[in-house]
Formats: sequence, C-alpha cells, structure tokens
Amino acid sequence: EAQVTQNPRYLITVTGKKLTVTCSQNMNHEYMSWYRQDPGLGLRQIYYSMNVEVTDKGDVPEGYKVSRKEKRNFPLILESPSPNQTSLYFCASSLSSRGTDTQYFGPGTRLTVL
Amino acid sequence: AQSVTQLDSQVPVFEEAPVELRCNYSSSVSVYLFWYVQYPNQGLQLLLKYLSGSTLVKGINGFEAEFNKSQTSFHLRKPSVHISDTAEYFCAVSDPLNAGNNRKLIWGLGTSLAVNP
Repeated sequence: EAQVTQNPRYLITVTGKKLTVTCSQNMNHEYMSWYRQDPGLGLRQIYYSMNVEVTDKGDVPEGYKVSRKEKRNFPLILESPSPNQTSLYFCASSLSSRGTDTQYFGPGTRLTVL
Repeated sequence: AQSVTQLDSQVPVFEEAPVELRCNYSSSVSVYLFWYVQYPNQGLQLLLKYLSGSTLVKGINGFEAEFNKSQTSFHLRKPSVHISDTAEYFCAVSDPLNAGNNRKLIWGLGTSLAVNP
C-alpha cells in the first residue's frame, strides 16, 4: 500500500530535550516536505527536499533541522524544543516539485513541549 | 504574492442537504488548484484538482469544484452530504509561474464542515 508513515504519532516532551520525528514514504517520490498545523494559522511549510541530499527552508524553519540521506526518509529534528513548537506536524511527499502533483500526507504527529 | 481565502471557517449543514465551500485566490494568472480533506485524527488527502481543461472538476466521494478564472474562485460543492463528510477542507493553489524550485502549495486556513443528523 502506498503510504507516508510518521513516528511517533503523539509525543510529550520537555523544553530543551532533543527529539526526532521520522517520516518514510514507499512511493519513490522525489519531493518531501514538513508542515506544521496550528489553529488559525493553517498549514505552514517548515522544510522541503527536492531529492536526496537537497533540502531547503520553507516558511517557518527556525528551530528545526532536516536531513535527506535516503530517498524514502525525511526526519525532522528539534535540537532544543520550546513550547512554541507545540503543534501538529505533517510529513508529505509528491512525485516531483512541479506543482501539479498530488501531495500524500502522513497521519500526523502531535507534539507537546512543556 | 499568491494568497488563498476560504470564506467560511465553519459550515454547519444537515445530512442530505447540499453544501458549497468557497475558495478565492488572489492572482489572475494561470494557477493549479486543489481541494484536500482532513478527516478527524488523520492526514490530508486529495479530493480533486484543476490543472487545465474543463472548468468543472469531479473528485472523490461525490464532490466537485468549478474553476472560475474571472472571479478567481474554486468553490467546492456536493449535492447531498453525509455524516461521514464531517471534516476539515483545505483549498490550495500552486503558481506555475513561480520561478523557484519549490513550487509549493499556498494553503487556505480551512473550512470545518459539520454534518448534523
């Protein structure tokens, strides 16, 4: 089954404790991205990747890191989480970055930073 | 810069009634248009998209949308809704003239559709 998986689905942590949210897709997609979803602010792109070893900042990259060592995986790293990073996070992938392709979303990771 | 406005943040409707969720975008140049749906506790999934051609686009679950270039709108409709259509609906736009590599989607803030029995 074609899918995007994220882990964990729920995470409660404390300020400053490094964490990683994993994302994996099995569709051989080139383009992957991370979004955060907040009430009243909609979906905002954090980082994106055009292909392996090619990543770039989205609209709200501060406090986040990513890597793309393999085509299927695109982890999101919070090196020192703060309460303002409490949010619902989605990983998404698409065949390319052409803008015509359907984006496939993971189920989401709900992060709470205390 | 391109922007997307979803005119209603919440739409309550009774089961079997028709519904229209409104979406307007800012630019009159060629665009690609999308509607995504987010069911409770799930990720987003594509309902339908307009790339070119016929202005009436049919999607999954009986939804359709009409592209109106002169009004820069892409409203989503369903003639008869079910309880299971209760979800958040997002309109999104991609600008094919964006010279950058990241032809990302510009998202509306979403419309919460609540279907009541």
